[in-house]
Amino acid sequence: DAGVIQSPRHEVTEMGQEVTLRCKPISGHNSLFWYRQTMMRGLELLIYFNNNVPIDDSGMPEDRFSAKMPNASFSTLKIQPSEPRDSAVYFCASSLGVSGEQYFGPGTRLTVT
Amino acid sequence: QQQVKQSPQSLIVQKGGISIINCAYENTAFDYFPWYQQFPGKGPALLIAIRPDVSEKKEGRFTISFNKSAKQFSLHIMDSQPGDSATYFCAATYTSGTYKYIFGTGTRLKVLA
Repeated sequence: DAGVIQSPRHEVTEMGQEVTLRCKPISGHNSLFWYRQTMMRGLELLIYFNNNVPIDDSGMPEDRFSAKMPNASFSTLKIQPSEPRDSAVYFCASSLGVSGEQYFGPGTRLTVT
Repeated sequence: QQQVKQSPQSLIVQKGGISIINCAYENTAFDYFPWYQQFPGKGPALLIAIRPDVSEKKEGRFTISFNKSAKQFSLHIMDSQPGDSATYFCAATYTSGTYKYIFGTGTRLKVLA
């Protein structure tokens, strides 16, 4: 069992560039979550999907952030244009049902210069 | 009403001591309370969880104590070890429907050898 797979593991980009983070949930899981973690704000839920449908995107900080889940095995989080304050570790997690145990991926460390 | 308040923010304990982390919630509809453990550079992982129909749950050296009337729950780590040094997050949700987890702000535990 490969667990939740995230790519890339590290991303360094310049301000204004588009950034796309990718996530492959655990096979069979039907809920997927995107979190952002920083020292200042802790672990923040950005958006989550159930059966590929976005349920709550109230945590998405701005219109620069968008997320998609085109099928049960893939999701993307896009930031366009990126800003230095977007620098954080972004986690994807999946679960069987929204309230099921969440399995987190290893995270993507994003640095925007 | 959706917050979960966690304390302390950081904790230093001697090896062999007891580590105690506290959480308080407001929404009486919450019916599932997990604790997640996160090591540096890794995603959070489920450690132990409890439902409000019991007042205590123990798994090895880790115990959750739950006080429904006070709307509080706590994690106790007995015989704390240096390998327990990590960040701990409490969370709460209700398991009917598609409601998300509400995470606490995290407690950084350091166990001195």
